[in-house]
Amino acid sequence: SQKIEQNSEALNIQEGKTATLTCNYTNYSPAYLQWYRQDPGRGPVFLLLIRENEKEKRKERLKVTFDTTLKQSLFHITASQPADSATYLCALEYNNNDMRFGAGTRLTVKP
Amino acid sequence: DVKVTQSSRYLVKRTGEKVFLECVQDMDHENMFWYRQDPGLGLRLIYFSYDVKMKEKGDIPEGYSVSREKKERFSLILESASTNQTSMYLCASSLLTGSDGELFFGEGSRLTVL
Repeated sequence: SQKIEQNSEALNIQEGKTATLTCNYTNYSPAYLQWYRQDPGRGPVFLLLIRENEKEKRKERLKVTFDTTLKQSLFHITASQPADSATYLCALEYNNNDMRFGAGTRLTVKP
Repeated sequence: DVKVTQSSRYLVKRTGEKVFLECVQDMDHENMFWYRQDPGLGLRLIYFSYDVKMKEKGDIPEGYSVSREKKERFSLILESASTNQTSMYLCASSLLTGSDGELFFGEGSRLTVL
């Protein structure tokens, strides 16, 4: 069965630095991949989507890459701020109608 | 603004009770989903529905059933709650086509089974 792994459970960085989160997957070839942000006690909120034929996507301070050979997506937040502290989830398209999620990485940005 | 509303934020139930979790969306979305979220395991798909009265099993359907009688409403039912069903339950919806599968989530229902 497909497996989705996010590199670490928690990541701590200093304000102003770039945060890089990793999402690896196996036994599957998704047509697209999404990243979501989740704050404590809230539902996830969609951030970005990247398709299998796209290498990179940007949105303001966010950048996502998608390497279908390595079966990996990287999610970058540049010039990070304490307000970026949250859990970030990657999700892979599965069977056209539903998404399957990784366990998430909890990012803490320290002032 | 798009909205997915889950009926209860917090519930406490006893083992063996029947539990209903309700979800309503106001976006005319065809797809609706129920996930559960547990620490270290992420979101796991229980059931989803792509049309009224249609349902598909996700990865962990055992112990659950669903009902979709109207397009805007998707209910998750625990026929006989057990302690291992203590979890955060998240409902989501999406368009069938044209939106790249972006999911809109509710705020979650935290269920404790004693």
